[in-house]
Amino acid sequence: DAGVIQSPRHEVTEMGQEVTLRCKPISGHNSLFWYRQTMMRGLELLIYFNNNVPIDDSGMPEDRFSAKMPNASFSTLKIQPSEPRDSAVYFCASSPSGEKAFFGQGTRLTVV
Amino acid sequence: GESVGLHLPTLSVQEGDNSIINCAYSNSASDYFIWYKQESGKGPQFIIDIRSNMDKRQGQRVTVLLNKTVKHLSLQIAATQPGDSAVYFCAELYGNNRLAFGKGNQVVVIP
Repeated sequence: DAGVIQSPRHEVTEMGQEVTLRCKPISGHNSLFWYRQTMMRGLELLIYFNNNVPIDDSGMPEDRFSAKMPNASFSTLKIQPSEPRDSAVYFCASSPSGEKAFFGQGTRLTVV
Repeated sequence: GESVGLHLPTLSVQEGDNSIINCAYSNSASDYFIWYKQESGKGPQFIIDIRSNMDKRQGQRVTVLLNKTVKHLSLQIAATQPGDSAVYFCAELYGNNRLAFGKGNQVVVIP
């Protein structure tokens, strides 16, 4: 199995632009998570999907952030408009059961 | 690599020695715990997990100990190798399948 695949690996964008991060979970996993990692706050859960349905989005910082999972093999995290404080590494993870989560390599986002 | 906290506790250990990494968790209702390893430029990698009905679980060169009384988790790495240099996170699972991560511990293996 190729593991969780995220794209792009690196993204540099200007403040105000829309950013879309993509994730392909491990086949057969029914839970998908988006995390954000920063120096100050560590790893934070943004949103959690189960069977493609958003279960808990209480970690999404504000309305500029949105996430979708149109099918079992694809999810997106969108930031519109982006701000410099959104700069972080964003991880997608998937799990067969909602417990043991397997992480992708992350997308390093820099908003200038 | 990914940085996690301005002042990560750091454990420096001689190659071949055993390492012990400690973690305090917050929610007494948590019933499932995981240790992750994160190397520079990579995502967290699953190491070992333990449920609250156990107090010890062993894997390959790793042992996790759980003390529910004081809400403490530890990871022991036997015969530490240079490839063990990384940041180690404990995570607890609580309500609605939320995995909450600790701030991380940096392990530096000295050859």
